[in-house]
Amino acid sequence: DGGITQSPKYLFRKEGQNVTLSCEQNLNHDAMYWYRQDPGQGLRLIYYSQIVNDFQKGDIAEGYSVSREKKESFPLTVTSAQKNPTAFYLCASSIDLRSLSTDTQYFGPGTRLTVL
Amino acid sequence: GEDVEQSLFLSVREGDSSVINCTYTDSSSTYLYWYKQEPGAGLQLLTYIFSNMDMKQDQRLTVLLNKKDKHLSLRIADTQTGDSAIYFCADPTNTDKLIFGTGTRLQVFP
Repeated sequence: DGGITQSPKYLFRKEGQNVTLSCEQNLNHDAMYWYRQDPGQGLRLIYYSQIVNDFQKGDIAEGYSVSREKKESFPLTVTSAQKNPTAFYLCASSIDLRSLSTDTQYFGPGTRLTVL
Repeated sequence: GEDVEQSLFLSVREGDSSVINCTYTDSSSTYLYWYKQEPGAGLQLLTYIFSNMDMKQDQRLTVLLNKKDKHLSLRIADTQTGDSAIYFCADPTNTDKLIFGTGTRLQVFP
């Protein structure tokens, strides 16, 4: 089955620690995205990547970092510089960055990060 | 910049129709989308509408688009408890980004 996986589903970390969230897709999509979801604020774009070894900052990139060494993988690191890291993180992918396909973006199941 | 707005909550009785509204600012998009998010899960594409259409019907779902007013709505007929979720409209705009609304939480009660 094709799809996007995120792991783990729940993650707990102590304040001051960096943590990396996994996102893997086997859809052969070029573009991948990371969003943060907070109650009542919808989705906010953190980083996105159009192709391997290339990525751009989204609207709220401060305190986060990403890498795109493989087409199928786009891990997100939440660093200790992120002031309010507790949130629900969603990864998505699409055929390409400006896809006009009706499939638009596929989403993973999300990771809920809680920083204690 | 581009903006997409939705009301935060909607509560309906089971069997009634639900209407979720959305306003957007970028009128250059070819498509507009509706996504559904069930509790604790990712988003699933529910339906979409071409920007040159006024209406699209898909089983219990009806999407209406008023380009003049930049208003998009999603009507769910015969709403069921399984329809309880957060619904997002999304505008791909003319940039590299998909702009999401704040989401409308639909609560269906018996």
